[in-house]
Amino acid sequence: QITLKESGPTLVKPTQTLTLTCTGSGFSISSSGVGVGWIRQPPGKALEWLAVIYWDDNKRYSPSLRNRLTITKDTSKNQVVLTMTNMDPVDTATYFCAHRPTYTSTFDMWGQGTMVTVSS
Amino acid sequence: QSALTQPASVSGSPGQSITISCTGTSSDVGGYYYVSWYQQYPGTAPKLMIYEVTNRPSGISNRFSGSKSGNTASLTISGLQAEDEADYYCSAYRSMSTYVFGTGTRVTVL
Repeated sequence: QITLKESGPTLVKPTQTLTLTCTGSGFSISSSGVGVGWIRQPPGKALEWLAVIYWDDNKRYSPSLRNRLTITKDTSKNQVVLTMTNMDPVDTATYFCAHRPTYTSTFDMWGQGTMVTVSS
Repeated sequence: QSALTQPASVSGSPGQSITISCTGTSSDVGGYYYVSWYQQYPGTAPKLMIYEVTNRPSGISNRFSGSKSGNTASLTISGLQAEDEADYYCSAYRSMSTYVFGTGTRVTVL
């Protein structure tokens, strides 16, 4: 059974850097074809794809946010870390991580999400 | 990076069928067979309902079906039930190996 869990601060100040960790179980992020992505959702708004990292360390970022995002993985802990610099109140959102399976380009299992508020 | 376009809301009576559209471009919906649909209840994580345009994951009711024509994908819910009342999002693989989500559709069961 695949599960993912996001962790990180619930409150960050403007201009600070956000670091979120996604811990996966029931799968290995080093298995061929596997990926883990990050998606966010501001309160009452739509989902927005942020980034994805693959088993081979290939990384892709949202073009609109690529200069602020960094995604990395720690295979020994089966974790994926997302950092976002220069946080702004408009970045207030629930941040989800999700599993990209080996067989296709979709996100088949999602974490419960973690709410991040940006405020001074 | 512009989102895929969905109607803000769709409604139907129990037992009816409804269809939600998802319009993109030749660089995403029209260019690849990797269109997915997600169902989301308030305060919960999205749940995958359809992948690769037409495929249902194990455990998803066959009342949910997907299709695509050109740059527009569609999700059809047949035999509408009260439990189908939720937000629905499409997603597509986009050129440069990125992803994009739709604007979301609120489904209301009358």
